[in-house]
Amino acid sequence: GENVEQHPSTLSVQEGDSAVIKCTYSDSASNYFPWYKQELGKRPQLIIDIRSNVGEKKDQRIAVTLNKTAKHFSLHITETQPEDSAVYFCAASPTPGGYNKLIFGAGTRLAVHP
Amino acid sequence: DTEVTQTPKHLVMGMTNKKSLKCEQHMGHRAMYWYKQKAKKPPELMFVYSYEKLSINESVPSRFSPECPNSSLLNLHLHALQPEDSALYLCASSQDLGSPGELFFGEGSRLTVL
Repeated sequence: GENVEQHPSTLSVQEGDSAVIKCTYSDSASNYFPWYKQELGKRPQLIIDIRSNVGEKKDQRIAVTLNKTAKHFSLHITETQPEDSAVYFCAASPTPGGYNKLIFGAGTRLAVHP
Repeated sequence: DTEVTQTPKHLVMGMTNKKSLKCEQHMGHRAMYWYKQKAKKPPELMFVYSYEKLSINESVPSRFSPECPNSSLLNLHLHALQPEDSALYLCASSQDLGSPGELFFGEGSRLTVL
């Protein structure tokens, strides 16, 4: 089955710096790669996603890149702010159908210091 | 309404008790999910329902019994649980329109098994 590895497990940056989180996946059938943010005591919420037919996607300060050949994808956050502090999970979905069999990475705890 | 509502928020039960977790969404989503999340770990998929039929059971012990009475409701029946089953149980839903899409998570039910 699918296995997703995520690095680093913790990341500490100064406000205004960039943050990069990297993930690798094992199942070449995976075709959907979302990123979820989970603040302490809150539900996971989607921040950005990318499908296997796209190499890069941007949404304001957040971008995701996908390298299908190498089976890795990355989250880039620019101009970080204290409210970006949270746990970020990458995920991969090998499901061919409409529902999601999301397999999550272990998570990255991002701390943005003012 | 873009919310997934879970009840109860907190539940304490003994190993001989029978209890149920409930989940409701009114977004017209046809896929619904149960995830289990231990502290400082990623969500782990338990069950997926697609169009009210069980599509995925990730080898979950039979002491967890899911039920999907209709397209808006998802239950998780609990019986003879073990202390190691203590966790946050997250319900989620998605549209199921032929390709994977965003999962909308509820706030979770925090379960403690004594």
